[in-house]
Amino acid sequence: KNQVEQSPQSLIILEGKNCTLQCNYTVSPFSNLRWYKQDTGRGPVSLTIMTFSENTKSNGRYTATLDADTKQSSLHITASQLSDSASYICVVSLLDWGYSTLTFGKGTMLLVSP
Amino acid sequence: DTGVSQNPRHKITKRGQNVTFRCDPISEHNRLYWYRQTLGQGPEFLTYFQNEAQLEKSRLLSDRFSAERPKGSFSTLEIQRTEQGDSAMYLCASTHEWENTEAFFGQGTRLTVV
Repeated sequence: KNQVEQSPQSLIILEGKNCTLQCNYTVSPFSNLRWYKQDTGRGPVSLTIMTFSENTKSNGRYTATLDADTKQSSLHITASQLSDSASYICVVSLLDWGYSTLTFGKGTMLLVSP
Repeated sequence: DTGVSQNPRHKITKRGQNVTFRCDPISEHNRLYWYRQTLGQGPEFLTYFQNEAQLEKSRLLSDRFSAERPKGSFSTLEIQRTEQGDSAMYLCASTHEWENTEAFFGQGTRLTVV
């Protein structure tokens, strides 16, 4: 069964600190991996998208890494800000018969505390 | 084009009533997805369209649910005889069929069944 597992389920950090969120997946055949940020009550917003040939991608203070061999990805947030408080969702795209479908993790809820 | 638009943003309905939600995707996107998200969970796939064709439906989509995309542009999701368990955020996303294309989400429709 194609699955995406994220850890930790929730995380509290102090403003200014760094943190790393994890994503493990079993989706195959794999097309790409995406990280989304979702504020409470809002739709998800894309942070990064990586194909199997990419190891890392940055978007400002967000850096995503991908190890397609071990099927693991991480999202590193540097110098956290209060506005980073949100749910971070890992999404893996399955390539199936020429159509790609998205498999979502349950997300990591991040709270940045002043 | 300002992105994916969903209407209404909030809907409160009595159990047993029918409700219909609308999604207007980004105009050049030919693929449209519907997801359901409950509190603390990642989005769960319901169905998706490529142009006007409904290519896949999740088993979560019971016979009370129906989705259409008659002209390959906007889509509607109808829930008949609503139940309290239908209370959730319903998200729409659009993308292009090209592999690794970004998927953009709407702000969602929050359904509360009382």
